[in-house]
Amino acid sequence: GAGVSQSPSNKVTEKGKDVELRCDPISGHTALYWYRQSLGQGLEFLIYFQGNSAPDKSGLPSDRFSAERTGGSVSTLTIQRTQQEDSAVYLCASSFSLRATQYFGPGTRLTVL
Amino acid sequence: ELKVEQNPLFLSMQEGKNYTIYCNYSTTSDRLYWYRQDPGKSLESLFVLLSNGAVKQEGRLMASLDTKARLSTLHITAAVHDLSATYFCAVEGGSQGNLIFGKGTKLSVKP
Repeated sequence: GAGVSQSPSNKVTEKGKDVELRCDPISGHTALYWYRQSLGQGLEFLIYFQGNSAPDKSGLPSDRFSAERTGGSVSTLTIQRTQQEDSAVYLCASSFSLRATQYFGPGTRLTVL
Repeated sequence: ELKVEQNPLFLSMQEGKNYTIYCNYSTTSDRLYWYRQDPGKSLESLFVLLSNGAVKQEGRLMASLDTKARLSTLHITAAVHDLSATYFCAVEGGSQGNLIFGKGTKLSVKP
């Protein structure tokens, strides 16, 4: 069956611009997670959704980051006024429920010039 | 703060040899995951270990969990080139299931 998909696969933007990253989870998966992967920081957890709700936003690196999920399905991660340190691969994962095995998407490679 | 440490971070092996990757974590967790990542690709789930003493095997890879020692191992038997990848262990950071990852072990299997 279809796995987790993410778009775009690559995004190059200029410092100060806003970007939106999209994640389509596996159908029927109620939990959705965002992570980012960078050389310096490794894999970092950002935020999770149970259904459309994100109860804990403390993992987001700054208030320039926000995320939403609609219809218990698609999620978008928005980064406002991008900075060079935001450059990373942003990974989305979904699972059947909280604490079930997470299946990762291919990621979006974000480069901020 | 929960920390996850893997070692070694880099591992160069010859085909046919055996080796073990270690994963230590700093606080109690009853669930540990191993993932594989090929260059430029995403993370592929290998194993989930749910209890003390759990052992799982798939092909040439075997993972085990000792929750008392807060240690998991990933043992590679008779390595082949196709196993070349980066292997990550991860534990749950909270009740919501978010994962805390180790830095990864980059495995290179040479003929």
